[in-house]
Amino acid sequence: GQSLEQPSEVTAVEGAIVQINCTYQTSGFYGLSWYQQHDGGAPTFLSYNALDGLEETGRFSSFLSRSDSYGYLLLQELQMKDSASYFCAVRDLDSNYQLIWGAGTKLIIKP
Amino acid sequence: DGGITQSPKYLFRKEGQNVTLSCEQNLNHDAMYWYRQDPGQGLRLIYYSQIVNDFQKGDIAEGYSVSREKKESFPLTVTSAQKNPTAFYLCASSPTGEIGTGELFFGEGSRLTVL
Repeated sequence: GQSLEQPSEVTAVEGAIVQINCTYQTSGFYGLSWYQQHDGGAPTFLSYNALDGLEETGRFSSFLSRSDSYGYLLLQELQMKDSASYFCAVRDLDSNYQLIWGAGTKLIIKP
Repeated sequence: DGGITQSPKYLFRKEGQNVTLSCEQNLNHDAMYWYRQDPGQGLRLIYYSQIVNDFQKGDIAEGYSVSREKKESFPLTVTSAQKNPTAFYLCASSPTGEIGTGELFFGEGSRLTVL
């Protein structure tokens, strides 16, 4: 079967760095995306990795290791507004390139 | 401004009634999607359409129907056959249907409650 695993909840302190991990098991991996969703809101796209390595966009970075079926989202200089749920999603060739979503990680930031 | 508009934002329905959720986009995107989100879970794909007058079932299409008569519009009907329809429904679009960065643009969602 196809599945994605990510922690259900992560807690961090304002100004710190936090890493949210995602491991996946899919038959036709094409790329890994990350989305942010505030409570009651719409998911918004953060990043996409198709090749191994680190992609950096401001305070957010995303990493992928295809050989380990593993990726992570790194958030630096945490701000209270970063409190949200973060979803990893795999674009899967065998599902007609549709996204398969993880259950999400709720990030709680303490002052 | 360009974007995706979903309506209504909140909807209450009695058991046995069909209800239609609207989704309109002015981003000139080819592909549109409907997802269902339940508390503490990821998004599950209901239906998607990569071109006008064509659509495909997602993972949980039973009890739902869609149409794609115009590029801008992709309404979702939740029928009485859907056994547990209370959920948060998200519509999304993307500029390409099959390849690309995987970036989806989402509407603000419609929260359906069955009484």
